[in-house]
Amino acid sequence: EAQVTQNPRYLITVTGKKLTVTCSQNMNHEYMSWYRQDPGLGLRQIYYSMNVEVTDKGDVPEGYKVSRKEKRNFPLILESPSPNQTSLYFCASSLRDAPGAFFGQGTRLTVV
Amino acid sequence: AQSVAQPEDQVNVAEGNPLTVKCTYSVSGNPYLFWYVQYPNRGLQFLLKYITGDNLVKGSYGFEAEFNKSQTSFHLKKPSALVSDSALYFCAVRDGPTGGFKTIFGAGTRLFVKA
Repeated sequence: EAQVTQNPRYLITVTGKKLTVTCSQNMNHEYMSWYRQDPGLGLRQIYYSMNVEVTDKGDVPEGYKVSRKEKRNFPLILESPSPNQTSLYFCASSLRDAPGAFFGQGTRLTVV
Repeated sequence: AQSVAQPEDQVNVAEGNPLTVKCTYSVSGNPYLFWYVQYPNRGLQFLLKYITGDNLVKGSYGFEAEFNKSQTSFHLKKPSALVSDSALYFCAVRDGPTGGFKTIFGAGTRLFVKA
């Protein structure tokens, strides 16, 4: 089954404790991206990647890191999480030439 | 800079009536436009896209959208609403073939369909 898989689905952590949210897709998509969803703000793009070892900032990259060492994986790293990073996070992937994106189920992160 | 506006936070329609969810956009080049739907506690699902060609695009679940370049709009429509269409709808834009995967989403419109 074609899918984008995020882990974990739910995470509660404390301020400053480094964490990684994993994202994996099984569709051989070139493009991958991370978004955060906050009430009234819609989805805002954090980082995106157009291929292996190619990443670029979206609209809200501060406080986040990403890497794309393999085509299927695109982890999101929070080196020192803060309460304002409490949000619902989505990973998405897409073919370069068929730009409708597949989304993961989301990761609800709470930073206390 | 790219931007997307969904002017209505909420749209209420009766089952069987036509529905419209509005979206306007701003982009420097030729836009790629998308509609996604989000059901409670779920990720987003792709509904339809406009890349080029016919201004009226048809998508999943009987939805369609009309690209209007002069009005910079891409409104989502359905001739006859179902209660099961109740969800959160997002419009999104990319800056055409040169914009890569940089995508801007609107704030979302919540659709309520009443039986």
